[in-house]
Amino acid sequence: DQQVKQNSPSLSVQEGRISILNCDYTNSMFDYFLWYKKYPAEGPTFLISISSIKDKNEDGRFTVFLNKSAKHLSLHIVPSQPGDSAVYFCAASANTGGFKTIFGAGTRLFVKA
Amino acid sequence: EAQVTQNPRYLITVTGKKLTVTCSQNMNHEYMSWYRQDPGLGLRQIYYSMNVEVTDKGDVPEGYKVSRKEKRNFPLILESPSPNQTSLYFCASSRGGTGGRKPQHFGDGTRLSIL
Repeated sequence: DQQVKQNSPSLSVQEGRISILNCDYTNSMFDYFLWYKKYPAEGPTFLISISSIKDKNEDGRFTVFLNKSAKHLSLHIVPSQPGDSAVYFCAASANTGGFKTIFGAGTRLFVKA
Repeated sequence: EAQVTQNPRYLITVTGKKLTVTCSQNMNHEYMSWYRQDPGLGLRQIYYSMNVEVTDKGDVPEGYKVSRKEKRNFPLILESPSPNQTSLYFCASSRGGTGGRKPQHFGDGTRLSIL
């Protein structure tokens, strides 16, 4: 049973528009969430994170929103650029039961020039 | 340059032949972890280590062993590899004692094929 779900395997957007990547989780003990970006033949790189005490965190073109009641988070990229084309992974961790990190299956973003 | 280094990057081997994938980080990080990436399943954690001599199971530890004798190294051992362990493997590290709650730095991956 996947505790972190990214239900859209892929997403295509036009350059300059907004990209919205979604992530749902089932474990109410998760209290810290991260987004990673992955290019082919490279390891994932950290993008942005959010603690459950916040509902929004912004870093340049990237904003993560957290809706705890819906167990849902989203990553907004504005404006989208062709270099943003990559696979994006949502990850979650809890402060109890060890320090595992649970990743979603990833969403492949295509930004068209 | 801060980095996580995995070796080998590619390996094709046969069922039952013991292999070790090495992982080394130069950032003095306490936390290290191994993941495997499979299509449609994302990254699944195999083992992690909070510090030297402290290791714990992730979500898919069966068939794998790890050790953490030095802070910088965290090798992944497949004692008797099987075809279902064919996958792309990533090693990662992060600072602090709170595991995945700190951004992890990943190596570039090791692609294993077990025939």
